[in-house]
Amino acid sequence: GAGVSQSPSNKVTEKGKDVELRCDPISGHTALYWYRQSLGQGLEFLIYFQGNSAPDKSGLPSDRFSAERTGGSVSTLTIQRTQQEDSAVYLCASSLLGLIQETQYFGPGTRLLVL
Amino acid sequence: AQTVTQSQPEMSVQEAETVTLSCTYDTSENNYYLFWYKQPPSRQMILVIRQEAYKQQNATENRFSVNFQKAAKSFSLKISDSQLGDTAMYFCAFMAPQGGSEKLVFGKGMKLTVNP
Repeated sequence: GAGVSQSPSNKVTEKGKDVELRCDPISGHTALYWYRQSLGQGLEFLIYFQGNSAPDKSGLPSDRFSAERTGGSVSTLTIQRTQQEDSAVYLCASSLLGLIQETQYFGPGTRLLVL
Repeated sequence: AQTVTQSQPEMSVQEAETVTLSCTYDTSENNYYLFWYKQPPSRQMILVIRQEAYKQQNATENRFSVNFQKAAKSFSLKISDSQLGDTAMYFCAFMAPQGGSEKLVFGKGMKLTVNP
Protein backbone atom coordinates (compact mmCIF):
# COMPACT_ATOMS: atom_id res chain seq x y z
CA GLY A 1 0.00 0.00 0.00
CA ALA A 2 0.96 3.66 -0.10
CA GLY A 3 3.49 4.90 2.41
CA VAL A 4 3.69 8.20 4.24
CA SER A 5 3.74 11.10 1.82
CA GLN A 6 4.83 14.67 2.39
CA SER A 7 4.44 17.80 0.36
CA PRO A 8 6.09 19.81 -0.91
CA SER A 9 9.31 17.86 -1.24
CA ASN A 10 11.27 21.12 -1.36
CA LYS A 11 10.35 24.61 -0.25
CA VAL A 12 12.33 27.80 -0.60
CA THR A 13 10.98 30.83 1.18
CA GLU A 14 12.07 34.24 2.29
CA LYS A 15 12.74 35.13 5.88
CA GLY A 16 9.57 36.32 7.57
CA LYS A 17 7.15 34.39 5.39
CA ASP A 18 4.83 31.67 6.69
CA VAL A 19 5.06 28.10 5.38
CA GLU A 20 2.82 25.06 5.61
CA LEU A 21 4.14 21.53 5.36
CA ARG A 22 1.77 18.66 4.79
CA CYS A 23 1.89 15.04 5.87
CA ASP A 24 -0.39 12.25 4.66
CA PRO A 25 0.06 9.26 6.97
CA ILE A 26 -0.59 5.66 6.07
CA SER A 27 -4.33 5.04 6.09
CA GLY A 28 -5.57 3.80 9.45
CA HIS A 29 -2.50 4.83 11.41
CA THR A 30 -3.50 6.46 14.67
CA ALA A 31 -0.12 7.88 15.65
CA LEU A 32 1.65 10.67 13.78
CA TYR A 33 5.00 12.28 14.53
CA TRP A 34 6.88 15.33 13.22
CA TYR A 35 10.66 15.64 13.43
CA ARG A 36 13.21 18.18 12.29
CA GLN A 37 16.60 17.18 10.92
CA SER A 38 19.12 19.98 10.65
CA LEU A 39 22.28 19.58 8.60
CA GLY A 40 24.68 17.17 10.28
CA GLN A 41 22.36 16.61 13.22
CA GLY A 42 20.13 13.84 14.38
CA LEU A 43 16.40 14.08 14.41
CA GLU A 44 14.69 16.43 16.80
CA PHE A 45 11.22 15.52 18.01
CA LEU A 46 8.64 18.24 17.38
CA ILE A 47 5.15 16.92 18.05
CA TYR A 48 3.20 13.67 18.51
CA PHE A 49 -0.47 12.99 17.77
CA GLN A 50 -2.29 9.88 18.96
CA GLY A 51 -5.92 9.43 17.99
CA ASN A 52 -8.17 11.96 19.66
CA SER A 53 -5.80 12.58 22.58
CA ALA A 54 -4.21 15.97 23.15
CA PRO A 55 -0.96 16.12 21.18
CA ASP A 56 2.44 16.22 22.84
CA LYS A 57 3.78 19.58 21.67
CA SER A 58 6.79 19.59 23.97
CA GLY A 59 9.28 19.55 21.10
CA LEU A 60 8.06 22.61 19.25
CA PRO A 61 11.00 25.07 19.41
CA SER A 62 8.97 28.27 19.59
CA ASP A 63 5.48 29.64 19.34
CA ARG A 64 6.09 30.26 15.66
CA PHE A 65 5.62 26.53 15.17
CA SER A 66 2.23 24.86 15.27
CA ALA A 67 0.70 21.67 13.95
CA GLU A 68 -2.72 20.22 13.56
CA ARG A 69 -4.15 16.94 12.50
CA THR A 70 -7.57 17.06 10.96
CA GLY A 71 -9.95 14.14 11.15
CA GLY A 72 -7.24 11.93 12.58
CA SER A 73 -5.53 11.76 9.22
CA VAL A 74 -3.68 14.54 7.37
CA SER A 75 -1.39 16.77 9.40
CA THR A 76 -0.07 20.24 8.67
CA LEU A 77 2.99 21.78 10.29
CA THR A 78 2.95 25.56 10.09
CA ILE A 79 5.94 27.80 10.66
CA GLN A 80 5.16 31.49 10.97
CA ARG A 81 7.62 34.31 10.32
CA THR A 82 10.30 31.88 9.19
CA GLN A 83 13.90 32.42 10.24
CA GLN A 84 17.07 31.16 8.60
CA GLU A 85 17.64 28.73 11.48
CA ASP A 86 14.38 27.02 10.51
CA SER A 87 16.12 25.65 7.42
CA ALA A 88 16.10 21.88 7.77
CA VAL A 89 14.45 18.70 6.57
CA TYR A 90 11.09 18.16 8.23
CA LEU A 91 10.16 14.50 8.53
CA CYS A 92 6.78 13.02 9.28
CA ALA A 93 6.14 9.47 10.44
CA SER A 94 3.09 7.43 11.29
CA SER A 95 2.43 4.26 13.24
CA LEU A 96 -0.57 1.96 13.38
CA LEU A 97 -0.84 1.98 17.16
CA GLY A 98 2.27 3.72 18.42
CA LEU A 99 5.88 2.84 19.06
CA ILE A 100 5.28 0.63 22.07
CA GLN A 101 3.51 -1.93 19.93
CA GLU A 102 4.39 -1.06 16.36
CA THR A 103 7.07 0.50 14.24
CA GLN A 104 6.80 3.91 12.67
CA TYR A 105 7.09 4.59 8.97
CA PHE A 106 8.75 7.74 7.75
CA GLY A 107 7.91 9.94 4.83
CA PRO A 108 10.56 11.28 2.45
CA GLY A 109 10.61 14.66 4.18
CA THR A 110 10.27 18.29 3.15
CA ARG A 111 13.49 20.19 2.69
CA LEU A 112 12.93 23.79 3.79
CA LEU A 113 15.35 26.56 2.89
CA VAL A 114 14.81 30.00 4.35
CA LEU A 115 16.72 32.73 2.55
CA ALA B 1 16.52 14.70 30.51
CA GLN B 2 17.40 11.69 28.43
CA THR B 3 20.37 11.89 26.11
CA VAL B 4 21.72 9.59 23.42
CA THR B 5 25.36 9.64 22.39
CA GLN B 6 26.91 8.19 19.28
CA SER B 7 30.59 8.85 19.69
CA GLN B 8 31.75 7.67 16.26
CA PRO B 9 30.69 10.13 13.56
CA GLU B 10 31.90 7.99 10.71
CA MET B 11 33.07 4.44 9.97
CA SER B 12 33.92 2.38 6.96
CA VAL B 13 34.02 -1.35 6.47
CA GLN B 14 34.77 -3.78 3.70
CA GLU B 15 31.97 -5.73 2.12
CA ALA B 16 31.25 -9.05 3.92
CA GLU B 17 32.97 -7.90 7.12
CA THR B 18 31.35 -7.28 10.47
CA VAL B 19 31.03 -3.83 11.98
CA THR B 20 29.78 -2.59 15.35
CA LEU B 21 28.19 0.80 15.89
CA SER B 22 28.20 2.15 19.42
CA CYS B 23 25.50 4.02 21.30
CA THR B 24 25.17 5.06 24.91
CA TYR B 25 22.28 6.74 26.62
CA ASP B 26 21.48 8.37 29.89
CA THR B 27 18.21 7.95 31.74
CA SER B 28 16.78 7.43 35.18
CA GLU B 29 13.81 5.54 33.79
CA ASN B 30 13.45 1.80 34.12
CA ASN B 31 10.90 1.24 31.38
CA TYR B 32 12.08 2.33 27.97
CA TYR B 33 12.69 1.31 24.38
CA LEU B 34 15.76 1.57 22.19
CA PHE B 35 15.92 1.71 18.42
CA TRP B 36 18.37 1.76 15.57
CA TYR B 37 17.28 3.56 12.42
CA LYS B 38 18.93 3.62 9.02
CA GLN B 39 18.80 6.56 6.63
CA PRO B 40 20.20 5.73 3.18
CA PRO B 41 21.28 8.51 0.83
CA SER B 42 17.74 8.53 -0.59
CA ARG B 43 16.77 10.02 2.77
CA GLN B 44 13.84 7.81 3.83
CA MET B 45 14.40 6.63 7.40
CA ILE B 46 13.65 3.00 8.22
CA LEU B 47 13.73 0.99 11.42
CA VAL B 48 16.53 -1.54 11.65
CA ILE B 49 15.93 -3.09 15.04
CA ARG B 50 14.35 -2.35 18.42
CA GLN B 51 14.91 -3.49 21.98
CA GLU B 52 12.60 -3.34 24.96
CA ALA B 53 14.52 -2.59 28.16
CA TYR B 54 12.61 -5.21 30.13
CA LYS B 55 13.82 -7.97 27.81
CA GLN B 56 17.14 -9.48 28.73
CA GLN B 57 17.61 -11.22 25.41
CA ASN B 58 19.34 -9.18 22.74
CA ALA B 59 17.24 -8.48 19.67
CA THR B 60 18.27 -9.87 16.30
CA GLU B 61 16.98 -9.25 12.80
CA ASN B 62 18.77 -11.32 10.19
CA ARG B 63 22.26 -9.77 9.81
CA PHE B 64 21.56 -7.15 12.47
CA SER B 65 21.88 -7.75 16.17
CA VAL B 66 22.28 -5.62 19.27
CA ASN B 67 24.36 -5.85 22.39
CA PHE B 68 22.17 -4.32 25.06
CA GLN B 69 23.96 -3.67 28.35
CA LYS B 70 21.36 -2.11 30.62
CA ALA B 71 23.63 -1.46 33.58
CA ALA B 72 26.19 0.24 31.35
CA LYS B 73 23.44 2.03 29.38
CA SER B 74 24.95 0.81 26.17
CA PHE B 75 23.14 -0.28 23.02
CA SER B 76 25.47 -1.23 20.18
CA LEU B 77 24.46 -2.48 16.74
CA LYS B 78 26.35 -5.26 15.02
CA ILE B 79 26.05 -5.67 11.28
CA SER B 80 27.32 -9.02 10.01
CA ASP B 81 28.28 -9.79 6.41
CA SER B 82 28.11 -6.09 5.48
CA GLN B 83 26.57 -5.29 2.12
CA LEU B 84 26.90 -2.28 -0.13
CA GLY B 85 23.26 -1.46 0.60
CA ASP B 86 24.12 -1.00 4.25
CA THR B 87 25.82 2.28 3.38
CA ALA B 88 23.76 4.88 5.23
CA MET B 89 23.48 7.11 8.26
CA TYR B 90 22.59 5.14 11.36
CA PHE B 91 20.75 6.72 14.25
CA CYS B 92 20.32 5.35 17.73
CA ALA B 93 17.13 6.44 19.50
CA PHE B 94 15.56 6.19 22.94
CA MET B 95 11.99 6.42 24.17
CA ALA B 96 10.62 6.33 27.70
CA PRO B 97 6.84 6.47 27.41
CA GLN B 98 5.56 8.96 29.96
CA GLY B 99 2.05 10.29 30.30
CA GLY B 100 1.08 8.74 26.99
CA SER B 101 3.79 10.53 25.05
CA GLU B 102 6.08 8.78 22.59
CA LYS B 103 8.87 11.31 22.32
CA LEU B 104 11.91 9.79 20.63
CA VAL B 105 15.35 11.13 21.50
CA PHE B 106 17.91 10.57 18.75
CA GLY B 107 21.66 10.50 18.68
CA LYS B 108 23.48 12.61 16.11
CA GLY B 109 24.03 9.66 13.85
CA MET B 110 26.93 7.81 12.35
CA LYS B 111 27.82 7.59 8.69
CA LEU B 112 28.66 4.03 7.64
CA THR B 113 30.28 3.33 4.32
CA VAL B 114 30.59 -0.21 3.02
CA ASN B 115 33.36 -0.51 0.47
CA PRO B 116 33.47 -3.15 -2.29
